[in-house]
Amino acid sequence: AQSVTQLDSHVSVSEGTPVLLRCNYSSSYSPSLFWYVQHPNKGLQLLLKYTSAATLVKGINGFEAEFKKSETSFHLTKPSAHMSDAAEYFCVVSVSAGKSTFGDGTTLTVKP
Amino acid sequence: EPEVTQTPSHQVTQMGQEVILRCVPISNHLYFYWYRQILGQKVEFLVSFYNNEISEKSEIFDDQFSVERPDGSNFTLKIRSTKLEDSAMYFCASKGWARNEQFFGPGTRLTVL
Repeated sequence: AQSVTQLDSHVSVSEGTPVLLRCNYSSSYSPSLFWYVQHPNKGLQLLLKYTSAATLVKGINGFEAEFKKSETSFHLTKPSAHMSDAAEYFCVVSVSAGKSTFGDGTTLTVKP
Repeated sequence: EPEVTQTPSHQVTQMGQEVILRCVPISNHLYFYWYRQILGQKVEFLVSFYNNEISEKSEIFDDQFSVERPDGSNFTLKIRSTKLEDSAMYFCASKGWARNEQFFGPGTRLTVL
């Protein structure tokens, strides 16, 4: 069994300040973890992924995430938010060829 | 880079009608999936398909739903008699043998009136 908990349903930051979106997971097996971004009425864009290589993962648009097995966490960070980062973010867990399980999503608002 | 494609991008149908959503997975992929996202909600797993049969399905995937891989390239989701609550974005995904990553298509927005 696997599950994902995104700890914040909404996060609001000012432009130029750091972003932290929190994700905890549960999995019976070694998981792969992903962060996707979804802009309004758009599809899913992969930001970054962890698939058992380096625990600090760098993605597109300056995002990165760190896989911490001891804390079962995979938090998403960015040093400096941009207005274009405003969107819905999903943390996703999967194991091998099984289904992907999505978190409930975090809405990121960026204030000017 | 190869992509998963889905057609149509938007489908409008009347309640009770049958719809078929089409997906073309990445050509050498072996595992295929359908997910749906009701407006404003999270993405939910519907079904996975491997070796020409369903490998897993969720409780959402009832008798009104079916999947098929009619030829070597297409992967379809059929809803026999659509309900208002079937209105959602439907995402297809595929996965190859080596990389543990599902590649998602752009989605089909289904609107049931």
